[in-house]
Amino acid sequence: QQQVKQSPQSLIVQKGGISIINCAYENTAFDYFPWYQQFPGKGPALLIAIRPDVSEKKEGRFTISFNKSAKQFSLHIMDSQPGDSATYFCAAAIPGAGSYQLTFGKGTKLSVIP
Amino acid sequence: KAGVTQTPRYLIKTRGQQVTLSCSPISGHRSVSWYQQTPGQGLQFLFEYFSETQRNKGNFPGRFSGRQFSNSRSEMNVSTLELGDSALYLCASSYRGPTPSGNTIYFGEGSWLTVV
Repeated sequence: QQQVKQSPQSLIVQKGGISIINCAYENTAFDYFPWYQQFPGKGPALLIAIRPDVSEKKEGRFTISFNKSAKQFSLHIMDSQPGDSATYFCAAAIPGAGSYQLTFGKGTKLSVIP
Repeated sequence: KAGVTQTPRYLIKTRGQQVTLSCSPISGHRSVSWYQQTPGQGLQFLFEYFSETQRNKGNFPGRFSGRQFSNSRSEMNVSTLELGDSALYLCASSYRGPTPSGNTIYFGEGSWLTVV
């Protein structure tokens, strides 16, 4: 049973546009929600993360919006650039449980076209 | 500060063989986790080691095993390789401290395993 559902599977955005990737989770015990960016041939790199005690976190062009009641969170990439073309994964974890296990969404392949 | 280092980066094995992959975490990090990444299943948690003890294990058969050494370096082993074990194996490290920042998990670039 997939505990983190991510959509869309792929996304094409014009340069300068806004990229939006959505995730939904089922386990209410999750309390740490990171986003990872992965380029071909590379490992996932942490982009931004949020905890459920805040509804939004912004770092540069990247913003996470979090809706605890709906059990949903999303990544917004403002002013998308061709260099942002990569696969993005949302994830969730329960660090307080003593296990640092990340449960990942299936990923979104983002293509930013000039 | 050096990142998570994995060796080897690429390897080809034959069905039935075994393989050992190595991971050196970021200096000072005490937790090492392993993930398998495939196009069909995505990123799946294999296991986590902390203080040389396995803390959690994902839903993988017993052919997948690992260990952690006193210097936090870790190895994972897959025995009796099957074609379906072809994947990118990712190692991740974390300080695993009591503060939220200690939870940040950093990944290496992975070891590409092809089973033929």
